[in-house]
Amino acid sequence: KQEVTQIPAALSVPEGENLVLNCSFTDSAIYNLQWFRQDPGKGLTSLLLIQSSQREQTSGRLNASLDKSSGRSTLYIAASQPGDSATYLCAVRYNSGNTPLVFGKGTRLSVIA
Amino acid sequence: GAVVSQHPSWVICKSGTSVKIECRSLDFQATTMFWYRQFPKQSLMLMATSNEGSKATYEQGVEKDKFLINHASLTLSTLTVTSAHPEDSSFYICSATETGSEQYFGPGTRLTVT
Repeated sequence: KQEVTQIPAALSVPEGENLVLNCSFTDSAIYNLQWFRQDPGKGLTSLLLIQSSQREQTSGRLNASLDKSSGRSTLYIAASQPGDSATYLCAVRYNSGNTPLVFGKGTRLSVIA
Repeated sequence: GAVVSQHPSWVICKSGTSVKIECRSLDFQATTMFWYRQFPKQSLMLMATSNEGSKATYEQGVEKDKFLINHASLTLSTLTVTSAHPEDSSFYICSATETGSEQYFGPGTRLTVT
């Protein structure tokens, strides 16, 4: 069974800290991996998409890495801000074409001013 | 960029009634649409995969007669929750994709059944 696990489930940090969110997946034969942000009661905002051939992607203060062999991805957030407070979801796509994403349960991040 | 809309954004209905949720791709043709459900503090769980012009494929445990999915055109899929019960209260999110490309998510529909 293809599963995606995110650790920790919740995280609270003071403003300005750098932090790392972890994602692991059971089947290393992935097509791509995507990180999303979800604010309470809202839909998903795509943050970064990493293809299986890539090792990392960067956007502003965000950096996502991918290690297929170990079945892991990390999302690094630099200089965290209160506005970063949200739930961060990791999702894996296992095949090309029209296949759904498999989601982790997310990490709820609180950045304290 | 690709935009997916959902309507309504939230709905309250009485137990036993049916509710229809629309998912539209606004600037691309969606050969496939996915319907997910999210309970409070849980992740998104795939309910069904919908290909234009054909019957939806439902995930194990999802009742196809209760959650009716229609994907009649390349820009519209609908999810109808029939004979809704309070346990159907959830956040329903659709995503749409052209063949082999990235999935784009709608903003979600919050359903509350009283």
